[in-house]
Amino acid sequence: DAKTTQPPSMDCAEGRAANLPCNHSTISGNEYVYWYRQIHSQGPQYIIHGLKNNETNEMASLIITEDRKSSTLILPHATLRDTAVYYCIVSPRGGYQKVTFGTGTKLQVIP
Amino acid sequence: DAGITQSPRHKVTETGTPVTLRCHQTENHRYMYWYRQDPGHGLRLIHYSYGVKDTDKGEVSDGYSVSRSKTEDFLLTLESATSSQTSVYFCAIRPDRGPYEKLFFGSGTQLSVL
Repeated sequence: DAKTTQPPSMDCAEGRAANLPCNHSTISGNEYVYWYRQIHSQGPQYIIHGLKNNETNEMASLIITEDRKSSTLILPHATLRDTAVYYCIVSPRGGYQKVTFGTGTKLQVIP
Repeated sequence: DAGITQSPRHKVTETGTPVTLRCHQTENHRYMYWYRQDPGHGLRLIHYSYGVKDTDKGEVSDGYSVSRSKTEDFLLTLESATSSQTSVYFCAIRPDRGPYEKLFFGSGTQLSVL
């Protein structure tokens, strides 16, 4: 399965957009990009996923480049409650059997 | 939250003792997973199950065994706990229907092996 690369940490001012990048240059054609986040010591929580088109839901937007080698998770108006570790993973749809969540990006939202 | 309960929430044990962690779900989904989380390593898959008595190894399965005798329960056993198995353990399920692309995680078990 393809691996991902994320910056270890980022800061974002409260109320501003948080843009979290992810590199997945070895992604295969049938692999989706998934984003999860983990707030403090809770279990990770699903945010969004996509194949090649941009996606938006009530939590975030996902922008996938045309060559699918990278993506960006956008939190349009970051709040303090968005402070968390954000994980980007790639996997066939629903196929988590060989997936490891890396160390993710620690997003700190600053008042 | 897909009705996932992990027990115990915290456990302290001694090296060499057996330990069993339990993951219970209320919705009878087939796929269940055990992960461990350590600083600097993220979440790593230990074992997973795709049905009763159907299990397979993940990335870091050495020193762990699992059992799934009922759909609702997925047990993780450390036959002889070592200090390197001190970690936070998360159980997850993947729904069979509806949002089957998503993993839903339990609240975790903090295990300390002294």
